[in-house]
Amino acid sequence: DAKTTQPTSMDCAEGRAANLPCNHSTISGNEYVYWYRQIHSQGPQYIIHGLKNNETNEMASLIITEDRKSSTLILPHATLRDTAVYYCIVRVAHQAGTALIFGKGTTLSVSS
Amino acid sequence: DAGVIQSPRHEVTEMGQEVTLRCKPISGHNSLFWYRQTMMRGLELLIYFNNNVPIDDSGMPEDRFSAKMPNASFSTLKIQPSEPRDSAVYFCASSPGLDEQYFGPGTRLTVT
Repeated sequence: DAKTTQPTSMDCAEGRAANLPCNHSTISGNEYVYWYRQIHSQGPQYIIHGLKNNETNEMASLIITEDRKSSTLILPHATLRDTAVYYCIVRVAHQAGTALIFGKGTTLSVSS
Repeated sequence: DAGVIQSPRHEVTEMGQEVTLRCKPISGHNSLFWYRQTMMRGLELLIYFNNNVPIDDSGMPEDRFSAKMPNASFSTLKIQPSEPRDSAVYFCASSPGLDEQYFGPGTRLTVT
């Protein structure tokens, strides 16, 4: 699986959009970009994933550049409960139960 | 659905003792994963199963660790004998075999 690079930490004001970047310059054509987050003392939680088109769900939006070498996770209106470590992971999807390789992630701190 | 269930939530044991961690995956999921999380090493995959069969155990630290999945609704991770450096949070996750992994709340293990 390709490796990813994320900033160590970011701050965001409550109610504002949080934009979390991820670089994955060695991504292969069949690898998807996944985002998970881990709130303190809880297990990781799936957020969203995509291949090359932008994706949106009830939690977030995922913007992938045209060359697929980087992506941005957008939390449109951050709340205090969004304070967590956010992990960007690339892997081949739809393989029977392939594992996730977690990096260090970005610690997002949302403050009022 | 109750989600992934892990027990115990906390375990404190003395060095040399046997420790057994338990996991009940989400019904219908055919992949199960064991991860370990420490401050120093972050989240690491230990082993995963597809359809109750171990697929990749390369992350198991040493022979003191063993994992079983006797049926689709139960898995154990055993450490014998335990050592202080095994202290960590152990997560179990299950997946329907496609994209998302669902993590349990974790077991916090302390070996004194």
